[in-house]
Amino acid sequence: GAGVSQTPSNKVTEKGKYVELRCDPISGHTALYWYRQSLGQGPEFLIYFQGTGAADDSGLPNDRFFAVRPEGSVSTLKIQRTERGDSAVYLCASSPPRGEQFFGPGTRLTVL
Amino acid sequence: DQQVKQNSPSLSVQEGRISILNCDYTNSMFDYFLWYKKYPAEGPTFLISISSIKDKNEDGRFTVFLNKSAKHLSLHIVPSQPGDSAVYFCAASGTSGTYKYIFGTGTRLKVLA
Repeated sequence: GAGVSQTPSNKVTEKGKYVELRCDPISGHTALYWYRQSLGQGPEFLIYFQGTGAADDSGLPNDRFFAVRPEGSVSTLKIQRTERGDSAVYLCASSPPRGEQFFGPGTRLTVL
Repeated sequence: DQQVKQNSPSLSVQEGRISILNCDYTNSMFDYFLWYKKYPAEGPTFLISISSIKDKNEDGRFTVFLNKSAKHLSLHIVPSQPGDSAVYFCAASGTSGTYKYIFGTGTRLKVLA
């Protein structure tokens, strides 16, 4: 079956620009997560959705970061006024209730 | 402060031998632990997990051991195969609900043919 998909796979942008990263979870998975992985580090939790609502957004680094999941399926991570320090691989994962998280391939964001 | 630590950034093992990857954690409230494997340009793939009520879980060639008193877990792969070459991440959860995984920095395993 289809896994978690993320688009684009790579995104290069200039400092100060706005970007949107998309995640398509596994069909039927009610939970969706965003993580960020910087070079040499493990994935770092950003936000967790249960259905349409953000159940925990405590990992978002500041108010330039925002994520939505309007219909309880696809999610978009939005970053405003990008900074060079935002460069990382952004990973999305989904899970069934009480199940392990399945990760997508990630979007590599480069801010010049 | 790193709550989950993988102190060995890399490990090389001969094919057919045992690979042992280690992970330490500092938060005694963690009660669920996982290992993920990651190939280049792919997302992490779930490998095996263990609940804090157990001290061992086995799945084929992969066994995870948990020592709660030492706050230490290890992943054993035996026999190691070249296809096992990847970065292995240890993760823990529990204090904030099972959804919030705290990952270590990873260990790059290279299995030599």
